[in-house]
Amino acid sequence: KAGVTQTPRYLIKTRGQQVTLSCSPISGHRSVSWYQQTPGQGLQFLFEYFSETQRNKGNFPGRFSGRQFSNSRSEMNVSTLELGDSALYLCASSLATSAQETQYFGPGTRLLVL
Amino acid sequence: DQQVKQNSPSLSVQEGRISILNCDYTNSMFDYFLWYKKYPAEGPTFLISISSIKDKNEDGRFTVFLNKSAKHLSLHIVPSQPGDSAVYFCAASGNQFYFGTGTSLTVIP
Repeated sequence: KAGVTQTPRYLIKTRGQQVTLSCSPISGHRSVSWYQQTPGQGLQFLFEYFSETQRNKGNFPGRFSGRQFSNSRSEMNVSTLELGDSALYLCASSLATSAQETQYFGPGTRLLVL
Repeated sequence: DQQVKQNSPSLSVQEGRISILNCDYTNSMFDYFLWYKKYPAEGPTFLISISSIKDKNEDGRFTVFLNKSAKHLSLHIVPSQPGDSAVYFCAASGNQFYFGTGTSLTVIP
């Protein structure tokens, strides 16, 4: 099976712009979660989608949003970019949302905000 | 509020010796724990997991131990190999996944 794919892999934007990142989960996986990784902060949970519905949301401002399509592909959008949004954005998929599901990660999108 | 903590940012071990990576958590409701390995410029790769009904799970050179009373888990790698050099994240599953900040393991040949 193909793994989780994320596009683009690298992105450079300037402050104030908006950006959309895409994630295609492993075939058959219906849950997609997004994380932000910055140095020294580990992986910070952004949100999780299951069957096109946002199931859970982390502690991020409303500038961060997402959606999931009927084929389970997901996008996240960041509006009005700030310098502090520079990070590695990771997408993870799992079969469902039960408590003991394992998440599988994509390679990430490296975003640099100038 | 960091619910999963990895207090050692880095660890160096000689090749062939044991690597022990530690992780503490605060929420007693967590019932599933995982370890991921991450190389630079790649996403985390799932290594091993353990359910809260167990206290040990083994997969080849990797063993995870869970001490629920201490809210502590550890990952043992025996024997350590240079290819194991990476950042290791522990994670706990509640209503979402909570990740530690990672421990950078260096295995010295």
